[in-house]
Amino acid sequence: QSVLTQPPSVSAAPGQKVTISCSGSSSNIGNNYVSWYQQLPGTAPKLLIYDNNKRPSGIPDRFSGSKSGTSATLGITGLQTGDEADYYCGTWDSSLSSGVFGGGTKLTVL
Amino acid sequence: QVQLQQWGAGLLKPSETLSLTCAVSGGSFSTYYWSWIRQTPGKGLEWVGEIHHSGSTNYSPSLKSRVTISLDTANNQFSLKLRSVTAADTAVYHCARGRERLSYWGQGTLVTVSS
Repeated sequence: QSVLTQPPSVSAAPGQKVTISCSGSSSNIGNNYVSWYQQLPGTAPKLLIYDNNKRPSGIPDRFSGSKSGTSATLGITGLQTGDEADYYCGTWDSSLSSGVFGGGTKLTVL
Repeated sequence: QVQLQQWGAGLLKPSETLSLTCAVSGGSFSTYYWSWIRQTPGKGLEWVGEIHHSGSTNYSPSLKSRVTISLDTANNQFSLKLRSVTAADTAVYHCARGRERLSYWGQGTLVTVSS
């Protein structure tokens, strides 16, 4: 059972927009920065979003992040078949003094 | 270009000690947190622990009694030891740079625990 809660799966058609939610509590999302990771099959996770809404160099602006209270959201616009992957949110939990992740969301581009 | 290269034994018997090392190249070793994350086959990410360049550590509450993470600053490496492994510790283990922001990841090492 993950500390952060994500939907197991989402789907949308190519070119459309999708959002993935990540719900936590005041000890994690509520008081710490959130990151998002993309994991393509057979590869290591890749940082997509950090500090709630910042993109590392090389990440297209089709990917966006936001945070409100104890929840965060990843948005992907202009969906491409290459976006099919597992997406994870992660942050620090100040009460546990440990990193925490969501259970992951599998994105299917129909 | 920061790169993390990891290695260690991939097959262990129950009760043995898992030992992995991660070498960092192409960037500063100081200032940052260095983390270990594992992923059970077909499942999600689980944070294992971290070490700061100062040497301070934090471990997953569920693994704390069995985990040690250490630094080798002379060689820009950090290591993970997990004692008394069981089949439940079978996973792909990743090293990474950072805490909330895990910017760079190692390639992952599949560790299988089987008698």
